Amino acid sequence: EDQVTQSPEALRLQEGESSSLNCSYTVSGLRGLFWYRQDPGKGPEFLFTLYSAGEEKEKERLKATLTKKESFLHITAPKPEDSATYLCAVQPYGGATNKLIFGTGTLLAVQP
Amino acid sequence: DSGVTQTPKHLITATGQRVTLRCSPRSGDLSVYWYQQSLDQGLQFLIQYYNGEERAKGNILERFSAQQFPDLHSELNLSSLELGDSALYFCASSGGQGFVSDTQYFGPGTRLTVL
Repeated sequence: EDQVTQSPEALRLQEGESSSLNCSYTVSGLRGLFWYRQDPGKGPEFLFTLYSAGEEKEKERLKATLTKKESFLHITAPKPEDSATYLCAVQPYGGATNKLIFGTGTLLAVQP
Repeated sequence: DSGVTQTPKHLITATGQRVTLRCSPRSGDLSVYWYQQSLDQGLQFLIQYYNGEERAKGNILERFSAQQFPDLHSELNLSSLELGDSALYFCASSGGQGFVSDTQYFGPGTRLTVL
């Protein structure tokens, strides 16, 4: 069964304190791995797509990496505005659908 | 702003009732996806439509149904509502039909409260 596990469930950082969020996945075949950011009561906001092991993508203070079993979202020198829930999702092969299977997210709080 | 719109933003109703949630995809997108987000289960895929046709189903209850209209907007119908149906319902859209990977963009959601 396709599955996504994110850790930690919650993370509290001081402003400027870098860290990483983990996304472990089990999937029969990976079409793509996605990172989204979600603010309370809002819809998920797309951040990155990764397709193959070794791939890396960066955007401002965020960098996503991918291996064959997990993905990391590295946050460098975070600011309070980076506080949000970060969601990881996989898009498995199989049929004519691009449905996403989500993890339960990591709630990040960055304190000034 | 993702370009995906959903109405209404909030919906409060009673058990046993029926409601309809509406979604308009981004301009040019042909696929619409519906997801349910509850506190204990995270985001769960319900159903996908591509250009008016059902493409895939997830763990969607029989009491729930959806359709996509010729103008590509979609509606999710929830009937015989139960307390456990209270959740955030998101619509997402993408350009492709599902044979190759593409990015889904999410709407702001509809918060359903069943009393």
